[in-house]
Amino acid sequence: DTGVSQDPRHKITKRGQNVTFRCDPISEHNRLYWYRQTLGQGPEFLTYFQNEAQLEKSRLLSDRFSAERPKGSFSTLEIQRTEQGDSAMYLCASSLVGHALPYEQYFGPGTRLTVT
Amino acid sequence: AQRVTQPEKLLSVFKGAPVELKCNYSYSGSPELFWYVQYSRQRLQLLLRHISRESIKGFTADLNKGETSFHLKKPFAQEEDSAMYYCALSSGGSNYKLTFGKGTLLTVNP
Repeated sequence: DTGVSQDPRHKITKRGQNVTFRCDPISEHNRLYWYRQTLGQGPEFLTYFQNEAQLEKSRLLSDRFSAERPKGSFSTLEIQRTEQGDSAMYLCASSLVGHALPYEQYFGPGTRLTVT
Repeated sequence: AQRVTQPEKLLSVFKGAPVELKCNYSYSGSPELFWYVQYSRQRLQLLLRHISRESIKGFTADLNKGETSFHLKKPFAQEEDSAMYYCALSSGGSNYKLTFGKGTLLTVNP
């Protein structure tokens, strides 16, 4: 297991198109998070899953965003009708909740989205 | 609402000099504080957490609840410490989501 992986690493799309990103967490991790990072900012929380259940969504996650984790393993984040303001680095992180605190989050390399 | 403030966007020191990266937070409960580091072309990774009271790569950080601070310190900086450093807070509860500061880019000059 080489850690959290994300695909694609870079995506350039035209405004109005739909895009989908994939995250594969560390295999035994039951918790999966999505963050978004724009230039000059730290990562901002978007949503998280406990196994296959999506338990919280940030107000940053508009109706155009949807995330799934269908079998409690990999997750997808889809953005419909992309806007230039969606251009950012999308980070995925996973952790194993249930062992000793604090629950360290392991981050993937990110998917850089550019909307033209 | 919880917030993390890193007042310095950039910090430049010479090799062998002490370094302190500042982090202040606002949170009404008992937070868990972390420092994450991102080296050039690498992913974000955990450097240290306050609950462990550990020293990693010579770095330490003490949680000061009175001053709501969690500054990161190292007595003698090395060139390989050059990186982006993020302070982060977890509010606990059941979501353990992280709230990050904007980061400080540390450059250690030879």
